[in-house]
Amino acid sequence: EADIYQTPRYLVIGTGKKITLECSQTMGHDKMYWYQQDPGMELHLIHYSYGVNSTEKGDLSSESTVSRIRTEHFPLTLESARPSHTSQYLCASSRDRGNSPLHFGNGTRLTVT
Amino acid sequence: QKEVEQNSGPLSVPEGAIASLNCTYSDRGSQSFFWYRQYSGKSPELIMFIYSNGDKEDGRFTAQLNKASQYVSLLIRDSQPSDSATYLCAVKTGNQFYFGTGTSLTVIP
Repeated sequence: EADIYQTPRYLVIGTGKKITLECSQTMGHDKMYWYQQDPGMELHLIHYSYGVNSTEKGDLSSESTVSRIRTEHFPLTLESARPSHTSQYLCASSRDRGNSPLHFGNGTRLTVT
Repeated sequence: QKEVEQNSGPLSVPEGAIASLNCTYSDRGSQSFFWYRQYSGKSPELIMFIYSNGDKEDGRFTAQLNKASQYVSLLIRDSQPSDSATYLCAVKTGNQFYFGTGTSLTVIP
């Protein structure tokens, strides 16, 4: 069972601020992902990483950036938050094996005013 | 065409009944198939995965896979009110996961 942690759980911030959403996992998973999900809507892949120093943009990069300096840590940064960034952000990880599932963190609910 | 299609519902079943959730996928190269449960405001939680044709049972849950028809289903037996949630079908193709929009299930006491 993967342990994956996201902080903060809730964040309210003003337009134009720079924010970083934290994600850490303790299971040594090589693959990590960030998804964005609005209430009642589907998940959209923002960024993913297959290992240290490897990052790729997903379908919805949403003006954010990620880094993967350590295996366990995959933070997401918004350089200048906008109201359109208001959403739930979900971090997930997976083993590097063909049939391994995604394990999700508890999510960060972001509100940009 | 979307990678993964699900009927968005809502699906309502009485307590104790069997709930049947369906999912189709477009890429014949997809290798693994997952069902997640998501309560409102929470993150998805893995219920089951399947990668071979046929049925896989785990408690009250049965996943069914038919690769020829590109079809995956989830049966929930003896449905309980606590099963009320959105169920997401996910398909893994290569290193990528593709999610359906989810089916909303309500179990009526």
